[in-house]
Formats: sequence, C-alpha cells, structure tokens
Amino acid sequence: GAVVSQHPSRVICKSGTSVKIECRSLDFQATTMFWYRQFPKQSLMLMATSNEGSKATYEQGVEKDKFLINHASLTLSTLTVTSAHPEDSSFYICSALTERTQYFGPGTRLTVL
Amino acid sequence: LAKTTQPISMDSYEGQEVNITCSHNNIATNDYITWYQQFPSQGPRFIIQGYKTKVTNEVASLFIPADRKSSTLSLPRVSLSDTAVYYCLVGDNAGNMLTFGGGTRLMVKP
Repeated sequence: GAVVSQHPSRVICKSGTSVKIECRSLDFQATTMFWYRQFPKQSLMLMATSNEGSKATYEQGVEKDKFLINHASLTLSTLTVTSAHPEDSSFYICSALTERTQYFGPGTRLTVL
Repeated sequence: LAKTTQPISMDSYEGQEVNITCSHNNIATNDYITWYQQFPSQGPRFIIQGYKTKVTNEVASLFIPADRKSSTLSLPRVSLSDTAVYYCLVGDNAGNMLTFGGGTRLMVKP
C-alpha cells in the first residue's frame, strides 16, 4: 500500500518550453501533496504544498508563476514548469500525505537544454 | 518547524549493526519522527515512524528517548544494498513536516 507514482520519469526539453509532471497516489487519497526539488548530492528542498481544491502554498523564493501546481483531485497533483531554463534542470520529487506519513514518488529528472 | 541534525556520513561493514542518530531539539508535542532511505535518482522510501520509546518493524528499529529531542535509527546486520542516504523527518499529521535535514550518507563496505 501507499504507492505514489510520477510521470514522466525523465524529460528533456528545450529552453522556453513548459513541462508538466504528474503525481498520483495509487491506492489512497491524499488531501495534501508536496513538491520537492533535489540537486545532485544535496537534500530535498520543499517547493510547495498542494492541497486538493485550493491554491498551493509556495515556499519562500519559489516563483508561483513559474512553477504552477494544480491539485484537482484527491489522487492527482500536477507541477508545470513554465518557460523552463537550464537552471531549472533538477530532480523533482512529489509526496502524498496519508494520516501522518509522507510517501514519495520515484522522482522526475528534468533536463532543460 | 522542527530542524533536524544528523551526521553527514557513516561507514560500516557488512553484517554490522548501524545506529544513526538525529537531533531535533525543538520537536513539538504533535510531531512524529519518520525515517527515510534514498538511493541515487530515486524518491525517498519510508523505513519507520515513531512518537516515543521504541518501534520495531521488519527492517529497522527506532529508539526515541523520553524527552524526544533525538532519535536513533538502528539497522541490524547491514548489507551492501543498505548503502544509501538516510533522512529523519519530524512533523505532525497536518503536513507540517516539511524541512529535510542534510541526511546521513551510509557506506557499507564488504
């Protein structure tokens, strides 16, 4: 139980394009999901908290107009990186909260050329 | 938000018991302690969670002293495949568990 999936697992795009990443809780419903990014050899950095049916809460320094988050159902949250640039290249990881435990997706490797 | 502090790295040998300690001095009453394992290019994997005293499951034990200002993850008889980064995360069931510490990079040697 408590499986979270992400799609795609890897994406390469050109600078200036937008990329959408999906996060799904497969066997449970999650009112709250989280989006993190992780650079090589570093810890996970929280970007935003996504709550079903309401606007996401962004961490300080994270541009909400660049990283669009939608949590339209209890099993799906999406992160759209708009007008991506090479510095947005990173490993993006989502998690879904059930009771008091976060379960993480496998991550999405984004490379912006 | 509770901040966590862990050793940056640890070395061990196959078959040994490994104990990784995490400090969380400003843990709140409603906070639980959760440990995760992460391999390169993968999302963190849940290991164990506890509130106080001792919790044990099929892969690990978690020891939490009475003041709850620290916790120790114990991995019995590690193998090479346990080489990974281990994170402790402190938070409550409202999702206020958002700050990952630096994690502990465990290297298991043959």
